[in-house]
Amino acid sequence: DAGITQSPRHKVTETGTPVTLRCHQTENHRYMYWYRQDPGHGLRLIHYSYGVKDTDKGEVSDGYSVSRSKTEDFLLTLESATSSQTSVYFCATLAGGRGNEQFFGPGTRLTVL
Amino acid sequence: QKEVEQNSGPLSVPEGAIASLNCTYSDRGSQSFFWYRQYSGKSPELIMFIYSNGDKEDGRFTAQLNKASQYVSLLIRDSQPSDSATYLCAVGDNYGQNFVFGPGTRLSVLP
Repeated sequence: DAGITQSPRHKVTETGTPVTLRCHQTENHRYMYWYRQDPGHGLRLIHYSYGVKDTDKGEVSDGYSVSRSKTEDFLLTLESATSSQTSVYFCATLAGGRGNEQFFGPGTRLTVL
Repeated sequence: QKEVEQNSGPLSVPEGAIASLNCTYSDRGSQSFFWYRQYSGKSPELIMFIYSNGDKEDGRFTAQLNKASQYVSLLIRDSQPSDSATYLCAVGDNYGQNFVFGPGTRLSVLP
C-alpha cells in the first residue's frame, strides 16, 4: 500500500465550527488531491496541489481551503462547516507523468450536525 | 464541464459469467483512462489503465477504449463473488494530472 494516512478517520462536528482534515504521505509524490464522495456522485475534486505552496481549485471548492507547506502534508479546512459538507473525504497522491495511477488514503467520514 | 457517465447499477451476474461495465466521457482531449474498484467502506484501488484505442488485457480483466466514440469499458471474465464492488471509471486530462470520475457502477456477482 502507498504510504498515505488521513486524520482523523471519523469526525462529528456542529454547523459553523471549523474543521481541518490532514493527509500525510511518505511516497514523496508531487501531486496531492482532496476529493469528496457522496452517493450518486462518485468522487468529486475539491482542491489539488502540484507542489509545495502550489494549489488550485477543483469542481466543488466552495467552502473549502487547502494548504501545503511540506511535500508530505496536505490540509483541507472547512472554515465554517455546513450540513452539506457531510461526506466521506479521500486524499490521493500522484507521482506525476502521463498515466500514473492515483493512490488513495483510507478516507475520513465527516458528519456535520 | 467535463463529464464521465456510468450506469449506476446494480449489475448482477452469476458466478463464472462475464461482467461488462461501461463508461462514456465528454472531453475529447482526454488521454488516459482508469478503472478503479471500491469495496464498501474502503478506498478506491486501481485495476487497470489504458491510453490507446483497442483492448488491454490483465488476467481476468480487459479494458477497451474507443476514443472516436468516447467510450471505455471493462470486462471481467469468470466473475467471482469477490468481484462484487463498485467500479469507478476515471478519465485523465492532457497532462495526466487531473481526473474526472464517474459515479460508479455497483456490481454484484451471485454465487
